[in-house]
Amino acid sequence: AQKITQTQPGMFVQEKEAVTLDCTYDTSDQSYGLFWYKQPSSGEMIFLIYQGSYDEQNATEGRYSLNFQKARKSANLVISASQLGDSAMYFCAMRASGGYNKLIFGAGTRLAVHP
Amino acid sequence: NAGVTQTPKFQVLKTGQSMTLQCAQDMNHEYMSWYRQDPGMGLRLIHYSVGAGITDQGEVPNGYNVSRSTTEDFPLRLLSAAPSQTSVYFCASSPGVNTEAFFGQGTRLTVV
Repeated sequence: AQKITQTQPGMFVQEKEAVTLDCTYDTSDQSYGLFWYKQPSSGEMIFLIYQGSYDEQNATEGRYSLNFQKARKSANLVISASQLGDSAMYFCAMRASGGYNKLIFGAGTRLAVHP
Repeated sequence: NAGVTQTPKFQVLKTGQSMTLQCAQDMNHEYMSWYRQDPGMGLRLIHYSVGAGITDQGEVPNGYNVSRSTTEDFPLRLLSAAPSQTSVYFCASSPGVNTEAFFGQGTRLTVV
């Protein structure tokens, strides 16, 4: 069965510092995709970054980077230079078998950025 | 560009009532899906569609029906609401398999 595990229910970081949010996944598929979404207190889901299983380079999008370690089945999100506006829930997700962009989500990590 | 629009944003139902959550997207995306989000959990897939006229069940389909008569619209129907269906519902669309899903603002549903 496919599964996403986020072991950190809550994290905090000082403003301007970097933080890593952990994500491990379980799949027997060779082709899969990994996503990170941000959910602020207002409730909307905001796409942050995508990594394909065959991508050789780690994905980066501005201050977000994905530390993809395929052998360890981990896809950690790194946020550099944290800002107060980064305080939110963060969800790791994986494209499920059969494609069609069906997503399996982890339980999320709540990040608090302190001034 | 409106993106994915869900209506209503909030709804309170009595047990046994029926209702339809509306979802519309104006991006001409083929793939659409419905998720529910419960406290302490990530989103779980209810139903999805890969194009007009084609739908299939996700992880938690019981108690919900869907149809996709047009590319733009993907309504979710609760036939007989139960308290266990109290949740936040998200509709999403995407243009392809390896692309991000665009989410609506969510519908907070309470069944009493």
